Amino acid sequence: DAGVIQSPRHEVTEMGQEVTLRCKPISGHDYLFWYRQTMMRGLELLIYFNNNVPIDDSGMPEDRFSAKMPNASFSTLKIQPSEPRDSAVYFCASSSRTGGLVGNTIYFGEGSWLTVV
Amino acid sequence: KQEVTQIPAALSVPEGENLVLNCSFTDSAIYNLQWFRQDPGKGLTSLLLIQSSQREQTSGRLNASLDKSSGRSTLYIAASQPGDSATYLCAVVGNTPLVFGKGTRLSVIA
Repeated sequence: DAGVIQSPRHEVTEMGQEVTLRCKPISGHDYLFWYRQTMMRGLELLIYFNNNVPIDDSGMPEDRFSAKMPNASFSTLKIQPSEPRDSAVYFCASSSRTGGLVGNTIYFGEGSWLTVV
Repeated sequence: KQEVTQIPAALSVPEGENLVLNCSFTDSAIYNLQWFRQDPGKGLTSLLLIQSSQREQTSGRLNASLDKSSGRSTLYIAASQPGDSATYLCAVVGNTPLVFGKGTRLSVIA
């Protein structure tokens, strides 16, 4: 399997611009997670989906952030408008259904490195 | 709210040394605990997963232990190698998905 695939790997954008990050989970996985990593706060869960349905979005920092999962093989995280404090690495991850969140290894993509200037 | 703490934040050791990384969590009501490795500019790779009913897991030179009642886990690395240099993160699953510590950055010096 190709693993979790994220795009773009790197993006530099100007403040106020819209940013869209994309994720393709591992085929057959029905949990998908979006995390954000910064030096100050470490890895934080933003939102996660089960069977394409958002389960918990309490980690989404502001209304400027939105996430969708239109089908089992694709998800987006959008920031509109972007701000310099959004600069971080955004990780997408997926895991399989058996046991749900319990006892299953979670697989991470290589991240999208976002810089907002 | 679950909080995960890792000590030390950074560690530098000579090659061949055995070492221990520590992880503590505030809410003992967990389902499992996982240790991950992160190389610079890369994603996270799962190393070991310990179910809440288990006490330890081993994979090669790595051994992870879990004491749920005290809210602690350790990752033991035997005979460290320069290739072990990376950031090691622990994470717990409870009523919410993985909650991560901030990691221990390990440097193994040849």
